[in-house]
Amino acid sequence: RKEVEQDPGPFNVPEGATVAFNCTYSNSASQSFFWYRQDCRKEPKLLMSVYSSGNEDGRFTAQLNRASQYISLLIRDSKLSDSATYLCVVNMGFMNYGGSQGNLIFGKGTKLSVKP
Amino acid sequence: DTGVSQDPRHKITKRGQNVTFRCDPISEHNRLYWYRQTLGQGPEFLTYFQNEAQLEKSRLLSDRFSAERPKGSFSTLEIQRTEQGDSAMYLCASSLAPRTGSGNTIYFGEGSWLTVV
Repeated sequence: RKEVEQDPGPFNVPEGATVAFNCTYSNSASQSFFWYRQDCRKEPKLLMSVYSSGNEDGRFTAQLNRASQYISLLIRDSKLSDSATYLCVVNMGFMNYGGSQGNLIFGKGTKLSVKP
Repeated sequence: DTGVSQDPRHKITKRGQNVTFRCDPISEHNRLYWYRQTLGQGPEFLTYFQNEAQLEKSRLLSDRFSAERPKGSFSTLEIQRTEQGDSAMYLCASSLAPRTGSGNTIYFGEGSWLTVV
C-alpha cells in the first residue's frame, strides 16, 4: 500500500465549479499535512497546511480526519488559473516543534483542468 | 531572486557518465533536501541535511548517488555511472529547522532535469 494515495484524475471542470480532492495516508503516526500545487514542468509550491480543525484560505478549504487517515481539499468557484496538479503531502515530524523527521511524503498528485 | 537555485537546469548525458547537480538554498535556511520526480509521480525523498550533517537518506539513494553539503551552505548531488532509469527531475528544497511555535515551510527550487541517453 502506498504511503499517500490520491485519485490521479484528471478532473475536468468548468469555471466556477466546486471541486474536491481526497487523499488517504497509511501511517497513523504522521503528524503534519499539506497540499502543494505543481504546474506542468515546474516545482511544487505550498498551497496550504492542513490543521486538525480544518482551515480555509480564500476559495480553498482543507480538512483532516485523523481517525480515517483522510485529507481533503475543496476548491470553490474554480478559476482557469487553478489548473494544475495538486499534491497531498504528509510528514512524520511535528509542524511546529523541533521534529527530527525531515522528509515530506508526496502522493502522485491529482490533475485539475478548469475549462472556460 | 533569493529563492532556491539549482544548476544546471537541464542535463543530457550518456549512460555510464557521471553528473553533478548543485543547489544553493535560501540563505538563512539550515535544512536542505533532495527529491527526485519522474513523470506522473510525486516527488520522492532522497536525502536531507541540517547544516552540514546528512541526517536522513532514503533507500532510493543507491551507492551510485552521493550528496554533500560541506560548509552547510550549498549542496551537490552526484550520480555516478548514470543509467536510463536515473532520468528524472531532481528537486532541491530548503527550510528552517522547525522551532516551537513556528512552521517549517519547505521551498523548492525549479529543479534540474536529467536525461540519460
